[in-house]
Amino acid sequence: AQKITQTQPGMFVQEKEAVTLDCTYDTSDPSYGLFWYKQPSSGEMIFLIYQGSYDQQNATEGRYSLNFQKARKSANLVISASQLGDSAMYFCAMRELNTGTASKLTFGTGTRLQVTL
Amino acid sequence: NAGVTQTPKFRILKIGQSMTLQCTQDMNHNYMYWYRQDPGMGLKLIYYSVGAGITDKGEVPNGYNVSRSTTEDFPLRLELAAPSQTSVYFCASIRRATEKLFFGSGTQLSVL
Repeated sequence: AQKITQTQPGMFVQEKEAVTLDCTYDTSDPSYGLFWYKQPSSGEMIFLIYQGSYDQQNATEGRYSLNFQKARKSANLVISASQLGDSAMYFCAMRELNTGTASKLTFGTGTRLQVTL
Repeated sequence: NAGVTQTPKFRILKIGQSMTLQCTQDMNHNYMYWYRQDPGMGLKLIYYSVGAGITDKGEVPNGYNVSRSTTEDFPLRLELAAPSQTSVYFCASIRRATEKLFFGSGTQLSVL
């Protein structure tokens, strides 16, 4: 069974600093994908970054990077040079890629990030 | 492209009432999902579909029903609304397993 754990209910970071949001996962499927989504106060779900289990390099998208440590089953999101607009809820999610799972995405409970001046 | 469209955006129901949350996507995606998000929590899967005519239960299906008569539409039905169904409901879709989930804008439902 899939499981995603985000142990930080809330985080604070000063503007322009970097912050790491933790995510660990559990799966017996060797083929899986990891996602991070941002949910601002307006409520929409915004896709940030994707990492496949067989990807050789850590994913990066602009100021977002994913610190993927496969042996430790962790997929931490790193936001560099934080901006006030980064204040939001952040969700880690996983999808098992083998057939029979219907590509269901399982979400963690989220981390609320607050960027301060 | 409109993407994933959900209606209504807000709704208040009385206990015991029924309603259907509509979801339509124009991207020809086979996979569609319904999630609910309780306040301060993550998303939990209610029902999903891998194609027209095929649906299956997710983590929290009790009190809900779905149908998938076309590729585009995936409505979610609440038969006897209960306060425990107060939540924000998201519809989502993908074409392939390695793709990001495309989300609708959500429906905020209150059952009083």
